[in-house]
Parts: sequence; C-alpha cells; structure tokens
Amino acid sequence: GEDVEQSLFLSVREGDSSVINCTYTDSSSTYLYWYKQEPGAGLQLLTYIFSNMDMKQDQRLTVLLNKKDKHLSLRIADTQTGDSAIYFCAESIYSGGGADGLTFGKGTHLIIQP
Amino acid sequence: DTAVSQTPKYLVTQMGNDKSIKCEQNLGHDTMYWYKQDSKKFLKIMFSYNNKELIINETVPNRFSPKSPDKAHLNLHINSLELGDSAVYFCASSPLKGLAGVGGQQFFGPGTRLTVL
Repeated sequence: GEDVEQSLFLSVREGDSSVINCTYTDSSSTYLYWYKQEPGAGLQLLTYIFSNMDMKQDQRLTVLLNKKDKHLSLRIADTQTGDSAIYFCAESIYSGGGADGLTFGKGTHLIIQP
Repeated sequence: DTAVSQTPKYLVTQMGNDKSIKCEQNLGHDTMYWYKQDSKKFLKIMFSYNNKELIINETVPNRFSPKSPDKAHLNLHINSLELGDSAVYFCASSPLKGLAGVGGQQFFGPGTRLTVL
C-alpha cells in the first residue's frame, strides 16, 4: 500500500535554511507535492514536482527528488518567521487517470527560533 | 473570489445527531474530494467524485454519505455522529488529471471544524 513518511518536527534559526525530508513508497506516483498549513488555516500548495525531474527551484524553495531512493526534500532558504507552519508531503495514490486522491505524510511542524 | 468554499466553518453538535457540510468550487473543476484531518493533524482522503460520479471511497463508515448534486458541489452528510468524528474536514477540487499540465494539483477549502460532544 501507499505510505508517506516525514519527521514530525524541525527546528531552525531564523535566516538559516530548512530542509524537510519525505520518503514515499508508490513508485508509480506521477507527481509529488508539498503543501503548507498555517495554524487554523487550510492547505496551500507550495510546489510540486513531476516524477521525471530531479530538481525544481522556485524562489526560496528547492525541491529535490531521488526517485531511486523514493526520497523527496523541500529546502527553504533564509527561513523567516512567516514560514512557521506544518509542511505536508503528498503523492498521488491512483496514477492511472481519473480522480487521483492524495496520500499525505503526517506533516512536519517547522519551528523557527529567533 | 473564493475558489473552494465550505460551510459551516465550525460545527458543534451532540452525539447521535445528523449533520451536513457543504462544499462548492467555482473553478470549473471536474473532480472533488473530502479529506479528514484528525487532532494529530493526520490527513486522509475519504471520498472523491469525478463529474458527479463516486470514484474513491476509502474505508469510511457508511454513516458518511457524500452527495454531489452537480459538478460544482460535493456535500458531506454524516448520520448518527460519534465522538470520533470530531475532526477538521477539508473539501478539495482538481481539474481532470493531465489537463493544462497542472499536475493534478488540488485546491483546498478552508476546512470545517466538527466537534461532537
């Protein structure tokens, strides 16, 4: 079955880089996603990567995908207090077309120290 | 304009009651979903509908019944509410997979916090 694993907490100092890691099991996943959830809010898509890519960069965000190891990471450069949130890694659970649902990891709570 | 909206935002009710949560999307998407987020923030898919047809039904008790009157709406009706149903319920929508290269991105509503007493 599909499973997505993440560490539950990450603490970094303001201005440092944050690296959030994720492993997944479904090798047929076409897309992998990072969602952000701020306290009391819904989920916001941060970025996604197609499975034939190794890396994607979008301003302060860098996504690295190691398909062989089924490992996905999200790097946030120059971490700010506004980055404090829960970050969810997700993969599509049905890759054959139609209504793909997402399997989410348990979420990584990013804590920013001043 | 809100893309995916849910009502109500908060719902407090007694055990045994029947309640509904409504979801609407104005994005013209074909597919809609319901997810449940428990107190530990774990998110799991419950249902998905593609153009008013049920596609995914994960192991959800049949007290939960999704209803899709049209492509833009997917409501969640819950019978005989139990304490364990307390959670935040998220609705989401997405275009058909593969369209416009958006990678099956899902757009989430703000969530409905259900508290069963």
